[in-house]
Amino acid sequence: GAVVSQHPSWVICKSGTSVKIECRSLDFQATTMFWYRQFPKQSLMLMATSNEGSKATYEQGVEKDKFLINHASLTLSTLTVTSAHPEDSSFYICSARDMAVAGGNPYEQYFGPGTRLTVT
Amino acid sequence: GQNIDQPTEMTATEGAIVQINCTYQTSGFNGLFWYQQHAGEAPTFLSYNVLDGLEEKGRFSSFLSRSKGYSYLLLKELQMKDSASYLCAVSGNTGGFKTIFGAGTRLFVKA
Repeated sequence: GAVVSQHPSWVICKSGTSVKIECRSLDFQATTMFWYRQFPKQSLMLMATSNEGSKATYEQGVEKDKFLINHASLTLSTLTVTSAHPEDSSFYICSARDMAVAGGNPYEQYFGPGTRLTVT
Repeated sequence: GQNIDQPTEMTATEGAIVQINCTYQTSGFNGLFWYQQHAGEAPTFLSYNVLDGLEEKGRFSSFLSRSKGYSYLLLKELQMKDSASYLCAVSGNTGGFKTIFGAGTRLFVKA
């Protein structure tokens, strides 16, 4: 149980275009999803917290108009990188939390496999 | 604010024991996690501590002292496949109980 998928697993796009990344919880309802970005040899940096049915909460320094997050259902959150530039090239990872998990740890996050974005 | 410190790199020998330390300062505390991450992959869950003491799970053990803001991950009988980054992460009580990650410790296991 507690499987999270991401699509696509990798994408190459041209500078100035937009890219959408999907994050799905396959066997549970994710009331909260998180989006992280990870540059080579660095740790995960939280970009935003996505709550179903409400606006995402962005971390300081993350442009909400550039990184659009939509969490329209309990199993799907999307991150759209708008007008991508080479400096946006990174490994984007989502995670999901199931606050309703019975007998489990409500603070545990289940990670997707990540999406490697390369902007040329 | 929140701050998590752990060593940048460690090297150990196959079959040995290695301890990776983590110190933290957070607003509130809802538990400390250790994750393993191989290059190019997502993190995988190793352990969770919310109470003081040692949690043992096979070759991996994790210790927590809340009063000291300190944790360690102990890896026994090291194998080459244990070469990876180990991330210390803390769940606080701000911003939707988000989890903050340390920079990670890159462990190199040599033969």
